[in-house]
Amino acid sequence: GENVEQHPSTLSVQEGDSAVIKCTYSDSASNYFPWYKQELGKRPQLIIDIRSNVGEKKDQRIAVTLNKTAKHFSLHITETQPEDSAVYFCAPRGSNYQLIWGAGTKLIIKP
Amino acid sequence: GAGVSQTPSNKVTEKGKYVELRCDPISGHTALYWYRQSLGQGPEFLIYFQGTGAADDSGLPNDRFFAVRPEGSVSTLKIQRTERGDSAVYLCASSLSEATEQYFGPGTRLTVT
Repeated sequence: GENVEQHPSTLSVQEGDSAVIKCTYSDSASNYFPWYKQELGKRPQLIIDIRSNVGEKKDQRIAVTLNKTAKHFSLHITETQPEDSAVYFCAPRGSNYQLIWGAGTKLIIKP
Repeated sequence: GAGVSQTPSNKVTEKGKYVELRCDPISGHTALYWYRQSLGQGPEFLIYFQGTGAADDSGLPNDRFFAVRPEGSVSTLKIQRTERGDSAVYLCASSLSEATEQYFGPGTRLTVT
């Protein structure tokens, strides 16, 4: 079945610096690549997504880049703020429409 | 508009009991998904519905777990003979169709004592 790996498991950055989280997947049929943010005790919330016909997508301080050949996609957050602290999950969609979730990255923003 | 809702928000039950968890999707969303999230882990797929039918139930861990969506809207996840290992947050999500974004409910925290 689909294998999804996410790195790093924990990322600590100074407020104002950038953060990058990488996700690799194994299913070559995957065609939809979302990133979710989950705060403690809350539901996962979609923050950005990309489809396989696009290489990069940006939404204000957040961007996602996709390399389908290498089967990885990354989340980029610039000018990090305290409210960016959360756990971030990649969840590429497999060929049978289910999301396959990574183990999560805990992002810590240091003041 | 209203988002995905789930009831109850918390459920504590004794080992061996039967529980039902309910999900109300966003109105008009034809696809509905159930996931299970254990502490410190990502959600794990259980089952998804397209309309009234279960399109993929490959994630259900065993035959104690069953889900229905009789009218293509509300769904109920049913767990028989609960075990302590079933303790987790059960998340429901819905999407306009299979190929569009999934929106999550707040989850039901199930604790089996």
